[in-house]
Amino acid sequence: EPEVTQTPSHQVTQMGQEVILRCVPISNHLYFYWYRQILGQKVEFLVSFYNNEISEKSEIFDDQFSVERPDGSNFTLKIRSTKLEDSAMYFCASRRANQPQHFGDGTRLSIL
Amino acid sequence: GENVEQHPSTLSVQEGDSAVIKCTYSDSASNYFPWYKQELGKRPQLIIDIRSNVGEKKDQRIAVTLNKTAKHFSLHITETQPEDSAVYFCAALTSVGNTPLVFGKGTRLSVIA
Repeated sequence: EPEVTQTPSHQVTQMGQEVILRCVPISNHLYFYWYRQILGQKVEFLVSFYNNEISEKSEIFDDQFSVERPDGSNFTLKIRSTKLEDSAMYFCASRRANQPQHFGDGTRLSIL
Repeated sequence: GENVEQHPSTLSVQEGDSAVIKCTYSDSASNYFPWYKQELGKRPQLIIDIRSNVGEKKDQRIAVTLNKTAKHFSLHITETQPEDSAVYFCAALTSVGNTPLVFGKGTRLSVIA
């Protein structure tokens, strides 16, 4: 069964540095999402993406965040200047029209 | 926007007993309700979902019920096994455009052998 893949599995970064999290959605999916989960808490929505543009974004997704689909397969989340509170598990998800979202294994981001 | 409340936050049951997790939602426009199971350090995995035109759905030991009038839905796991131990999240979604899932806070289920 095809899966959403995310790299890296764990990213350690100094505060203030830029970080890029990568996702390869399932190939015939058209809707893409980023969520984050702070340790021990619920999954929170960051941003959704369709047809090469952002569909919706949460209040968490401020000017420090950006998303890009640089080619036909990758979907990236960039955090420009990381803060300690950005430490979390970041999940990418994708889906087809009228189908459930499938999640990747996540990237654990640790900000020092 | 949508708000999803989930209870209980933790639940311990003896192996073989049933477990019930309940969620309520606020937005009457929500029409899709998935349940995800998340094992420690792993991805949320969809285990069952229900759409608003259905009141109940069952898949082997797992069932979900939906009461649209009361705006609540529940997950029922029968004949629980130790491998059912995980955190379970309910979520709600309005299937219009590209709206995101809104998750509950999760229920940590422990099945005691």
